[in-house]
Amino acid sequence: EPEVTQTPSHQVTQMGQEVILRCVPISNHLYFYWYRQILGQKVEFLVSFYNNEISEKSEIFDDQFSVERPDGSNFTLKIRSTKLEDSAMYFCASRARGLSGKLFFGSGTQLSVL
Amino acid sequence: AQTVTQSQPEMSVQEAETVTLSCTYDTSENNYYLFWYKQPPSRQMILVIRQEAYKQQNATENRFSVNFQKAAKSFSLKISDSQLGDTAMYFCAFMSEETSGSRLTFGEGTQLTVNP
Repeated sequence: EPEVTQTPSHQVTQMGQEVILRCVPISNHLYFYWYRQILGQKVEFLVSFYNNEISEKSEIFDDQFSVERPDGSNFTLKIRSTKLEDSAMYFCASRARGLSGKLFFGSGTQLSVL
Repeated sequence: AQTVTQSQPEMSVQEAETVTLSCTYDTSENNYYLFWYKQPPSRQMILVIRQEAYKQQNATENRFSVNFQKAAKSFSLKISDSQLGDTAMYFCAFMSEETSGSRLTFGEGTQLTVNP
């Protein structure tokens, strides 16, 4: 079965540093998402992306966050200046056209900000 | 805005027994989808089952079935013949059919432990 690939699986960074989390969605999918999960808490929506632009973002997704699909295959999440509270598991997901299509999740990137 | 509530933070069941996880949601929309996701200790998000709101028939996937009560805005998950590998966090989730972007809104989760 096709899968969403995320790299790296773990990322450790110093507070104030920039990080880029990378995702390769499933090739024929058109809708892309980032979610995050702080340890022990529920999965929270960050942003959705369609047709090369953000279609929706949550209040968490402030000016420190940005997304990009630079080359038609990768989908990246950038955090400009990391804070301690950005420590979480970040999930990428993708979906095919049609709202009945299910979301496929990647295995996540665990970000630790020290 | 939609909300999803899972009122059981933890549940346990004996192997081979049946367990039901509860979920309620709040929406003013008529067309939407509901999901149950399983998250084992590896933290991978695995889709267990999906229900379209316009379908009256409850979805089933092998040992997993749902009880969808649209008027009551209730969407419970029944796991039959529980197996040790079912031990995981289970999240109920809602997706609108009426808004662009179609994000999933998750509940708080229920930690299920299957005991041998």
